[in-house]
Amino acid sequence: GAVVSQHPSRVICKSGTSVKIECRSLDFQATTMFWYRQFPKKSLMLMATSNEGSKATYEQGVEKDKFLINHASLTLSTLTVTSAHPEDSSFYICSASLSGYPFTDTQYFGPGTRLTVL
Amino acid sequence: QKEVEQNSGPLSVPEGAIASLNCTYSDRGSQSFFWYRQYSGKSPELIMSIYSNGDKEDGRFTAQLNKASQYVSLLIRDSQPSDSATYLCAPETGANNLFFGTGTRLTVIP
Repeated sequence: GAVVSQHPSRVICKSGTSVKIECRSLDFQATTMFWYRQFPKKSLMLMATSNEGSKATYEQGVEKDKFLINHASLTLSTLTVTSAHPEDSSFYICSASLSGYPFTDTQYFGPGTRLTVL
Repeated sequence: QKEVEQNSGPLSVPEGAIASLNCTYSDRGSQSFFWYRQYSGKSPELIMSIYSNGDKEDGRFTAQLNKASQYVSLLIRDSQPSDSATYLCAPETGANNLFFGTGTRLTVIP
């Protein structure tokens, strides 16, 4: 149980284009999903917290107009990187919080999406 | 400023030995603590969670928590080469958020 998927696993795009990443909880309903970014040999950095049906909460320094997050259902959240630039190249990982089992704040991670912007 | 301190390593142990991974955190309000394992190029995988002071055992893994000392550790018994990875300590910081340390890189030598 507690499986989270992400799609695509890897994407290469040209500078200036937009990229959408999907995060799905496959066998549970996630009231909260999280988006992280990880640069090589660095720690996970939380970008935003997403609750179903409401606006995402962005961490300080993360541009909400550049990183659009939509959490349309209890099993799906999307992150769109708009007007991507090479410095946005990173490993983007989502996680989903499994409500009520065993504790409300257990996060399960998707496999990640490696974005390369040329 | 929330902080999580982990020895970045690398920590090398021979196969079959006990690996001891340590973590200190600054947020006294943290009530939940998680250990994740991350293989190179992969996303984190939950190993254990701990909420109460003391020890919690799950198979070869034992998590230890001392809230008064703001210290949490992970012991891996009978270490295997497949345990070689980066181990991330993540205290909960409120509102279901986790704050990750930079991790300790463990290498188990066959």
